[in-house]
Amino acid sequence: GQQVMQIPQYQHVQEGEDFTTYCNSSTTLSNIQWYKQRPGGHPVFLIQLVKSGEVKKQKRLTFQFGEAKKNSSLHITATQTTDVGTYFCADPMNRDDKIIFGKGTRLHILP
Amino acid sequence: DAGVIQSPRHEVTEMGQEVTLRCKPISGHNSLFWYRQTMMRGLELLIYFNNNVPIDDSGMPEDRFSAKMPNASFSTLKIQPSEPRDSAVYFCASTRQGTYNEQFFGPGTRLTVL
Repeated sequence: GQQVMQIPQYQHVQEGEDFTTYCNSSTTLSNIQWYKQRPGGHPVFLIQLVKSGEVKKQKRLTFQFGEAKKNSSLHITATQTTDVGTYFCADPMNRDDKIIFGKGTRLHILP
Repeated sequence: DAGVIQSPRHEVTEMGQEVTLRCKPISGHNSLFWYRQTMMRGLELLIYFNNNVPIDDSGMPEDRFSAKMPNASFSTLKIQPSEPRDSAVYFCASTRQGTYNEQFFGPGTRLTVL
């Protein structure tokens, strides 16, 4: 079935370093969503990208949607301990509100 | 807005017992989703409803799992009989029907089956 693949699965970075997670699809996506789940918490919606080549920023977070709409990335500049958690990309499948989540990238921050 | 409400937050039970998880979606949201999350399998969609009608239950692992949505403000996920491999965090999420809408997740129920 349709899937979105995320890499890496885990990432450890020193506090202050940058972090990037990537999301890839074998098929063209209508749009893509990103969620963050803090340890012990629940997934929380961050953003949705719709247009080919779209770039959106939220403070230190930069989200990109590929030109072919088959990949996306989330980049965090100068990570902080509050960035710890798992970041999921998700494919809204354009029907019935069903969303397919990637496996997520778990970010650990080393102090 | 109260957000999605789930109960109980934690459940510990013994193998073979019936478990019922409950969810109250956000008022006005007409799509509801049940997910299971484990380290090994990640976040899995079990079943979802539109306007209280089950649309896709292909993610329900076995006949031991069943879900109902008797009205727009309440849904249950039942496991009978429960097994240790059912131990996981179960999330309920809701959204307003329409394409590309963000999902709002509840706090989850952490289930442990001994």
